Amino acid sequence: DAKTTQPPSMDCAEGRAANLPCNHSTISGNEYVYWYRQIHSQGPQYIIHGLKNNETNEMASLIITEDRKSSTLILPHATLRDTAVYYCIVRVEMDSSYKLIFGSGTRLLVRP
Amino acid sequence: DAGVTQSPTHLIKTRGQQVTLRCSPKSGHDTVSWYQQALGQGPQFIFQYYEEEERQRGNFPDRFSGHQFPNYSSELNVNALLLGDSALYLCASSLVGDTYNEQFFGPGTRLTVL
Repeated sequence: DAKTTQPPSMDCAEGRAANLPCNHSTISGNEYVYWYRQIHSQGPQYIIHGLKNNETNEMASLIITEDRKSSTLILPHATLRDTAVYYCIVRVEMDSSYKLIFGSGTRLLVRP
Repeated sequence: DAGVTQSPTHLIKTRGQQVTLRCSPKSGHDTVSWYQQALGQGPQFIFQYYEEEERQRGNFPDRFSGHQFPNYSSELNVNALLLGDSALYLCASSLVGDTYNEQFFGPGTRLTVL
């Protein structure tokens, strides 16, 4: 029941911005978009999340389209340590908690 | 402040055997979710435990079961192992009611079924 579609791989040059797209055309009105990343053989690490508005934190920016059918994760100045698999996720509410529905992820390679 | 811990790190079993994986949530968290991640795939939700009960379940057979203890730690049990159960099993903890917080993931247990 994957709700997101991402390109399987991307690359960018170190120091440049990395823009990772995600399609979530079937997202419901109360479902958040989350981004996690996973470095090889480790557990996923939270990056950022949003509902309607654009969000920014110390790691990244999240741009969500007005119709909420797609979003873009922006790493403003990619470093070699940002090489990882990036997952665009829909958070589905369950009673007083939620579950995360992962897509297949985008493997980002940051080149020196 | 310890994060989410899982044990064992790696495990090798043969078809038909049973396995138990363990998870200790991040301090202050009361909810544990389990995910299965096959090689090259994104994690898939198995189930979630809160107040020692299974609250929600993904599309997994009854061979997958779990338990949550009063100290919020959790176990995942898989019976009658199949080759297709080989995967990284991830545990994530969170706090009910803190709906804007993220789920914190452990490093996972790598299960290999021969």
